Order: sequence, then C-alpha cells, then structure tokens
Amino acid sequence: KAGVTQTPRYLIKTRGQQVTLSCSPISGHRSVSWYQQTPGQGLQFLFEYFSETQRNKGNFPGRFSGRQFSNSRSEMNVSTLELGDSALYLCASSLDLGSSPYGYTFGSGTRLTVV
Amino acid sequence: KQEVTQIPAALSVPEGENLVLNCSFTDSAIYNLQWFRQDPGKGLTSLLLIQSSQREQTSGRLNASLDKSSGRSTLYIAASQPGDSATYLCAVRRTDSNYQLIWGAGTKLIIKP
Repeated sequence: KAGVTQTPRYLIKTRGQQVTLSCSPISGHRSVSWYQQTPGQGLQFLFEYFSETQRNKGNFPGRFSGRQFSNSRSEMNVSTLELGDSALYLCASSLDLGSSPYGYTFGSGTRLTVV
Repeated sequence: KQEVTQIPAALSVPEGENLVLNCSFTDSAIYNLQWFRQDPGKGLTSLLLIQSSQREQTSGRLNASLDKSSGRSTLYIAASQPGDSATYLCAVRRTDSNYQLIWGAGTKLIIKP
C-alpha cells in the first residue's frame, strides 16, 4: 500500500517567485492537510481539504492557497515568496474528517528554500 | 483553548534503558491522541493512535497511555536503542467542528550507545 507522496522533495526558489507543491494521499483517503514546519515555529497548520472543499484554514496570509482534485490529490501554492517561507512543508492524509477515529499519515515533506 | 505541552523538551539516556515521554493537554474533550516520531529533516511517522475511549495502545517496544481526566498521555519506550533517537511529537484531535490536530512542541530523544 503506497504511502503519502509529496513532490518535489527539494526546491530552491527566489524571492518573489511562486511555487506549487503536490501531495498524493493514500488510496481511499479523502482528507488532506498541509503543515509548515520551521525550527523556530514548529508545526503550523495551513489548511485541510476534504472532498475537494477546504474545511479548515490556519492563520497564514492569502499568499498561501491550496486545492484538492477529484482523485483527492492536493496542491499547495505560495505566491510572492519571502525568505521566511523557507521551511519543510508536510502533507498528511486521513481516511475521513469530522468524528473519524482514524489518524493521520504524513508524507516525507518538501524542503523549500527561498533565496 | 486546547494547548498541548511536552516535557521534557530534550532527553538523553544510555542505550537499554526504559524511558517515558510525557504529553499534557488542557481540554479533555478530544477524539483521539496520536504519537509521532520525526527524524531530522524527514516527515512524521505515526507510532500509536489512542481513541478517547481507550486507555492504552501497544506496538512492539512502545506503549502509549491516555488519561483524559488528568489531561495526560505517556509514551513508554522499553529497552531503548540508538535507532530510537528522534523527536517525538504528540497531537490531539479536537472535538469541535474544526477537528484539527493540536500539536505539542516535541521531545528530542537521544539514545547514547
């Protein structure tokens, strides 16, 4: 059973550019969440998608956006990159949302460096 | 507001010792609690998931307990090995309409050979 796949694994971008990260959840999982992890702030929740709808959103500026496709794959986009956006971006999938007893499975992450 | 605390922030023990990592949460209204490990620069690996109705879960040398009334969970690692060195994080899942995970800051564990 394939795990959560995130691409690319590493990315270097210049300030002002935009970037798109991809996440393919475990087959059958319908919920995809995105997190930003930095040494100083730890894990911070970006947003969660379920059945192509954004269900929850963290406290990030509008430069951070995402979407989910009908096959549950999700993309995250960051526009007008800033140096502070350098981080490990983690994606997690879960079977369901709401009162689901199921846990989350994480991908290996995308390491984004903004120069 | 749910807050999750992990103490200690770092722990170093000799190989072979049994050890306990702690996770405290302020609101007992949770769906479940999940323990993860993270190796440097890598993603998170789920270790154990405890439902709110359960008291403990076991997987190999790992045992996690949950006491909702006191707002505590512990992760017990038996016969520690150098390969157990990692950062261990706990997360609780809220019961309100948000259902988000609330994370602890983690305990960095070093097992000395």
